[in-house]
Amino acid sequence: GENVEQHPSTLSVQEGDSAVIKCTYSDSASNYFPWYKQELGKGPQLIIDIRSNVGEKKDQRIAVTLNKTAKHFSLHITETQPEDSAVYFCAASKAGGGADGLTFGKGTHLIIQP
Amino acid sequence: EPEVTQTPSHQVTQMGQEVILRCVPISNHLYFYWYRQILGQKVEFLVSFYNNEISEKSEIFDDQFSVERPDGSNFTLKIRSTKLEDSAMYFCASSAEGQGLTEAFFGQGTRLTVV
Repeated sequence: GENVEQHPSTLSVQEGDSAVIKCTYSDSASNYFPWYKQELGKGPQLIIDIRSNVGEKKDQRIAVTLNKTAKHFSLHITETQPEDSAVYFCAASKAGGGADGLTFGKGTHLIIQP
Repeated sequence: EPEVTQTPSHQVTQMGQEVILRCVPISNHLYFYWYRQILGQKVEFLVSFYNNEISEKSEIFDDQFSVERPDGSNFTLKIRSTKLEDSAMYFCASSAEGQGLTEAFFGQGTRLTVV
């Protein structure tokens, strides 16, 4: 089955700096790669996703890149703010969308230092 | 803003007891899911449900697990005879479409503790 590895497990950056979280996946049939943000006491919330037919997607301060050949995808957050502090999960599936059969990474605890 | 709600937020049960975790998906959604996260480990897929039947399930979802949509609003996960290793955070999610282009929304989770 699919295996998703996520690094780093903890990332501390100064407010205003950029943060990058990286994930690799094993199943070349995976075609959907969402990123979730989880704040304390809440469920995962989708922040951005990318499908295998594109290499990059951007939404304001958040961007995701996908390299299908190398089977890795990354989350980029620019101009970080205190409210960006949370646990971020990458995931992969062959379902093309939704939440069917997602395989998650272990999560990255992002800490924004004021 | 519509949201997925789960009850209870925390459930403590004795080993061997049956437990039912409840979820109210977003009202116009048609696809429903359960995931779990054992403390310190990855979020793991359990099951997806559409049109009153299971559409996909993982190896974790064995005979002790079952799901049901007993009425038009609730979606439940039943664990028949709980084991210590069932202790985890259980997340329900829903989406308007399944293998489509729509976002899945997760609930806040139910923390299940088996003692």
